[in-house]
Amino acid sequence: GENVEQHPSTLSVQEGDSAVIKCTYSDSASNYFPWYKQELGKGPQLIIDIRSNVGEKKDQRIAVTLNKTAKHFSLHITETQPEDSAVYFCAASILAYSGGGADGLTFGKGTHLIIQP
Amino acid sequence: EPEVTQTPSHQVTQMGQEVILRCVPISNHLYFYWYRQILGQKVEFLVSFYNNEISEKSEIFDDQFSVERPDGSNFTLKIRSTKLEDSAMYFCASSLRRNNQETQYFGPGTRLLVL
Repeated sequence: GENVEQHPSTLSVQEGDSAVIKCTYSDSASNYFPWYKQELGKGPQLIIDIRSNVGEKKDQRIAVTLNKTAKHFSLHITETQPEDSAVYFCAASILAYSGGGADGLTFGKGTHLIIQP
Repeated sequence: EPEVTQTPSHQVTQMGQEVILRCVPISNHLYFYWYRQILGQKVEFLVSFYNNEISEKSEIFDDQFSVERPDGSNFTLKIRSTKLEDSAMYFCASSLRRNNQETQYFGPGTRLLVL
């Protein structure tokens, strides 16, 4: 089955600096890669996702890059703010576009992002 | 904005007891999931459900677990005889999976403590 590795486990950056979190996956058939943000006591919330037919996607201060050959993908947060402090999880799954099936996400272990004021 | 809801928010039970965790997915969604997160660890996939049957399940989802969609709105996870190691946060999620809408939306979770 799929295995997702995530680094670092903890990341502390100064407010205004950029943060980068990296993940690798093992199953070359995986084609969908979401990133979730989890705040204390809450469920994971999707912040951005990317499919394997694109190499990069951006949404304001957040971007994700995907390297299918190397099987790794990264989350980039620019101009970090205190409210970005949370645990971030990457995930991977195989979407069967032919219909049917409901594919579970395989998550990484999470990165605790700390924004220092 | 529509959201996934879960009840109860917290559940304490004795080892060996049965528990039922309840979820109300987003109303037009077609795919339903249960995940668990042991304290301080990553979120782990348990089971997915589509068209009134289990679509995929992980090794964690053994015979002690079952899922049901008893009516048009609820999606439940039953643990028949709880063990200490079942203590975790259980998240329900749902997705539409049409028109490229793959996003799985997670509920706030039920914290289960088995004593």
